[in-house]
Amino acid sequence: LAKTTQPISMDSYEGQEVNITCSHNNIATNDYITWYQQFPSQGPRFIIQGYKTKVTNEVASLFIPADRKSSTLSLPRVSLSDTAVYYCLVGSSGNTGKLIFGQGTTLQVKP
Amino acid sequence: KAGVTQTPRYLIKTRGQQVTLSCSPISGHRSVSWYQQTPGQGLQFLFEYFSETQRNKGNFPGRFSGRQFSNSRSEMNVSTLELGDSALYLCASSSRRGDPLQGNEQFFGPGTRLTVL
Repeated sequence: LAKTTQPISMDSYEGQEVNITCSHNNIATNDYITWYQQFPSQGPRFIIQGYKTKVTNEVASLFIPADRKSSTLSLPRVSLSDTAVYYCLVGSSGNTGKLIFGQGTTLQVKP
Repeated sequence: KAGVTQTPRYLIKTRGQQVTLSCSPISGHRSVSWYQQTPGQGLQFLFEYFSETQRNKGNFPGRFSGRQFSNSRSEMNVSTLELGDSALYLCASSSRRGDPLQGNEQFFGPGTRLTVL
């Protein structure tokens, strides 16, 4: 699994766009980039996954530059309910069903 | 379709006791993974089952064990509980055998909060 680096915490205000960047310099050719969201005392929830360029769904967008050594999760117009920990995962588990979570980024949305 | 369910949601035990936690995956899902989450260590993988077979195991002592039944429901057991076993235990299911980082999304349950006194 590729080592990932993301900010420990971020603050934002309601209605703002939030961008969380994850660095993964040793990403392998076949690796995908996956983001999970976790609210307090709940299990993580899959947000988005991508391989290159841009991926968008109803929750977020994922921007991946051409060299794929980093990625940015973009949350449009955040609300208080977006306060959570966001995890960036990169790599392959080799069909083991195993996810390895780092420290994640704690996003605090303020009114 | 109902999500992953875990029972009980909260549990209080004392040191030396044993505990069994239950997980019911999403209907049709055959892979079940277990994770332990603590403030100090974060989310750590315990083990994964597919079709009643343990495919992979994390770095936890033998006091932690699990099993999966023919209906894909899974249980994990912790024997001789220690204070450090206090944690949120999460179960996740996926539809098939495969890489959760390569399109085989894992769906997590709400967890069981275990407190060891």
